[in-house]
Amino acid sequence: AQSVAQPEDQVNVAEGNPLTVKCTYSVSGNPYLFWYVQYPNRGLQFLLKYITGDNLVKGSYGFEAEFNKSQTSFHLKKPSALVSDSALYFCAVRDIASGGGADGLTFGKGTHLIIQP
Amino acid sequence: KAGVTQTPRYLIKTRGQQVTLSCSPISGHRSVSWYQQTPGQGLQFLFEYFSETQRNKGNFPGRFSGRQFSNSRSEMNVSTLELGDSALYLCASSRGRDRINTEAFFGQGTRLTVV
Repeated sequence: AQSVAQPEDQVNVAEGNPLTVKCTYSVSGNPYLFWYVQYPNRGLQFLLKYITGDNLVKGSYGFEAEFNKSQTSFHLKKPSALVSDSALYFCAVRDIASGGGADGLTFGKGTHLIIQP
Repeated sequence: KAGVTQTPRYLIKTRGQQVTLSCSPISGHRSVSWYQQTPGQGLQFLFEYFSETQRNKGNFPGRFSGRQFSNSRSEMNVSTLELGDSALYLCASSRGRDRINTEAFFGQGTRLTVV
């Protein structure tokens, strides 16, 4: 079975500083990894995905994520945080070995990102 | 291009009743998935439909069911509602042709409150 861990419930960053939101995963095969963001009372918005290829993936709104197979991690990063980045961030995985959809997307618990002015 | 549309946005039901939620996917998307989001359990996969067939199902009781129509619109039904069914129900659509590497696009959700 696949699983995702987001070890931090909340991350606080000052505006203008770099930010990192951590994610580790567990799958039986090769993973497809995704990051989504959720604003209050809204659905999830897709940020970026890792399928194969370069370990550094660039996404929407200046976000990027680094895939590390040996550490089974897929941390979300941004060089300079904005107050408008404050939201709930979810990491998700889909396991190729399972046929890509036997369990749908498995999400982490989410990390509240708070950017302080 | 219109996004994923879920109706209604908010719903209040009484224990024991049943409820039907609707989802219209992005035009051209043939796969629709449903998720339940609660503060305690987070986001949990309910089921996925592709071309009117349920392709995958999460670990939910049989009170939760769904269907997909020929135009890819989907409905989910919850019968004999329980207080614990109160949640944000999210629908997501994707192209479905190769669902493995395609991202899902989510609607704004239906907030169900069971009293």
